[in-house]
Amino acid sequence: AQKVTQAQTEISVVEKEDVTLDCVYETRDTTYYLFWYKQPPSGELVFLIRRNSFDEQNEISGRYSWNFQKSTSSFNFTITASQVVDSAVYFCALSFSGAGSYQLTFGKGTKLSVIP
Amino acid sequence: GAGVSQSPRYKVAKRGQDVALRCDPISGHVSLFWYQQALGQGPEFLTYFQNEAQLDKSGLPSDRFFAERPEGSVSTLKIQRTQQEDSAVYLCASSLEPGAVSGANVLTFGAGSRLTVL
Repeated sequence: AQKVTQAQTEISVVEKEDVTLDCVYETRDTTYYLFWYKQPPSGELVFLIRRNSFDEQNEISGRYSWNFQKSTSSFNFTITASQVVDSAVYFCALSFSGAGSYQLTFGKGTKLSVIP
Repeated sequence: GAGVSQSPRYKVAKRGQDVALRCDPISGHVSLFWYQQALGQGPEFLTYFQNEAQLDKSGLPSDRFFAERPEGSVSTLKIQRTQQEDSAVYLCASSLEPGAVSGANVLTFGAGSRLTVL
């Protein structure tokens, strides 16, 4: 069975602060994929990043960065110099390779509020 | 279209009524998914279509839930005899590739249909 835990339910930061959203996952598969999606108030989930289990390189995209550590089963997401437009619910998700792999297992999400 | 379109955006139903939720995926996308998102929770998988074939309906909560994609494009999720516990946002997502083997698919989600059952 797969499980994704996002322990932070809600986070509030002041604009320009850095913020890290935590994601811990459980899986017995050796090949799997990790995702982050953003859900703004409009409702649709927007894809941010996908990593496979064999690639532990950290990734940076503008103000966003991701830290993948297999040793601790974590895939944390950091926003640098947060902006009001970053306010949203962020979901970490997990899938695997093989039959039924199309099913994404989501965490409960972390609601980020960036205060001007 | 440019994105995944869902209608209606909001639906209020009295307990016992039947509802139909529509999803218009991105043109040419092979895979189509329905997810249910309860308040304050992450989305949960309901069903998966590859073209017109429903390959997995293991996530449908009961036999009151039925989904179809007859021509491999538009999909409809139907809920019969709605109950209060059916209140949720129903999200549709599509992807270009078949999803049956690789878990690497990146999904494009619609904005969802929020169902409230009174």
